[in-house]
Amino acid sequence: SAVISQKPSRDICQRGTSLTIQCQVDSQVTMMFWYRQQPGQSLTLIATANQGSEATYESGFVIDKFPISRPNLTFSTLTVSNMSPEDSSIYLCSLRSAQTPDTQYFGPGTRLTVL
Amino acid sequence: QKEVEQDPGPLSVPEGAIVSLNCTYSNSAFQYFMWYRQYSRKGPELLMYTYSSGNKEDGRFTAQVDKSSKYISLFIRDSQPSDSATYLCAMSASRYSTLTFGKGTMLLVSP
Repeated sequence: SAVISQKPSRDICQRGTSLTIQCQVDSQVTMMFWYRQQPGQSLTLIATANQGSEATYESGFVIDKFPISRPNLTFSTLTVSNMSPEDSSIYLCSLRSAQTPDTQYFGPGTRLTVL
Repeated sequence: QKEVEQDPGPLSVPEGAIVSLNCTYSNSAFQYFMWYRQYSRKGPELLMYTYSSGNKEDGRFTAQVDKSSKYISLFIRDSQPSDSATYLCAMSASRYSTLTFGKGTMLLVSP
């Protein structure tokens, strides 16, 4: 399986600021996703990051709040904008490869705390 | 009714016990079933993957799918303290559709 790295691994931010999370994969993948994992909750899909075009957002998530970029097949960023304490969560990058589209892998996550 | 139901636990067992983790689901279109293991402060790690009904075994782990009952299970034999983690089930209707996750069951294996 591909190796996925995320930066930063954790951060503590002030209300009203923005944080950009980076996801790097060691091989070209077809599909990249961003998830949120809040305490005691299921993994929730934020959006599918599309290479070279706008991300596809799930219901309840908007581009102004969670802008996503994917300039190539191995890299994506998620920005959490104008943060509030409700945005405190773990944010996870995920992927599926062309070789194994049935299976999905996750990065180590970014633990975000908003004060 | 939630699409995927999973008892959050915690489930506490002694070392060496057989563990049974389960999920029920409501969407009969689900065909692909996965189990993830997530250690504290880590990302989910794909443990088992099953397509449609039946059993799949990998070492001490067995995944079982009963589509008629909309019920999936993960069995862990000879459980070890290192198996202590949260186990998440996930499923999808097709190869390229998004996954729907359970909330996860926390497993604690005591030495």
